[in-house]
Amino acid sequence: DGGITQSPKYLFRKEGQNVTLSCEQNLNHDAMYWYRQDPGQGLRLIYYSQIVNDFQKGDIAEGYSVSREKKESFPLTVTSAQKNPTAFYLCASSIFGTSDYNEQFFGPGTRLTVL
Amino acid sequence: GESVGLHLPTLSVQEGDNSIINCAYSNSASDYFIWYKQESGKGPQFIIDIRSNMDKRQGQRVTVLLNKTVKHLSLQIAATQPGDSAVYFCAENISTELTGGGNKLTFGTGTQLKVEL
Repeated sequence: DGGITQSPKYLFRKEGQNVTLSCEQNLNHDAMYWYRQDPGQGLRLIYYSQIVNDFQKGDIAEGYSVSREKKESFPLTVTSAQKNPTAFYLCASSIFGTSDYNEQFFGPGTRLTVL
Repeated sequence: GESVGLHLPTLSVQEGDNSIINCAYSNSASDYFIWYKQESGKGPQFIIDIRSNMDKRQGQRVTVLLNKTVKHLSLQIAATQPGDSAVYFCAENISTELTGGGNKLTFGTGTQLKVEL
């Protein structure tokens, strides 16, 4: 059963702590992405990776970090430097990172709440 | 552009009627567009896509229309059902030749579709 998994579904963190969100895909996709979604708004790109061991900043990368050591995994760390981390975080993947015409498949999301 | 605030545009339709959801995109260099459906608390699901060399594409119960002259995209849902209730997003992709690589999508703020019985 192929797809994208994100864990955990709900995550609570104390202010000042770093936290890592997991994203795994078994679709054999080259590219992976992290988005942030706030209530009533669209998705904003945090980081993306077109290939293993390479990644680029998106539109709102400050306060976040990522790694891409394996093709199937793209974890996102929300650091204490992120001023307003409470949000719904979505991971996505696409077959090719450099082709213009391929859709992104999304995981179920992780809702992060900072207490 | 982006709207500010917590209130999404809402479209209410009767079950069985046709729905039309509109989207204005920002970049004339965008060459690929996707419509996604997002149910509450879930990730977006792909509905249909269209390339800029087309002006219409049909799927099962859905049709996407693209008007590049006015940078407008619409999603038509035929015979709307209660299961169609969700937030619908359009997304645009700018050619990688211009972005230097990367299949990057820019998302609109979304439209809430409510189906009334």
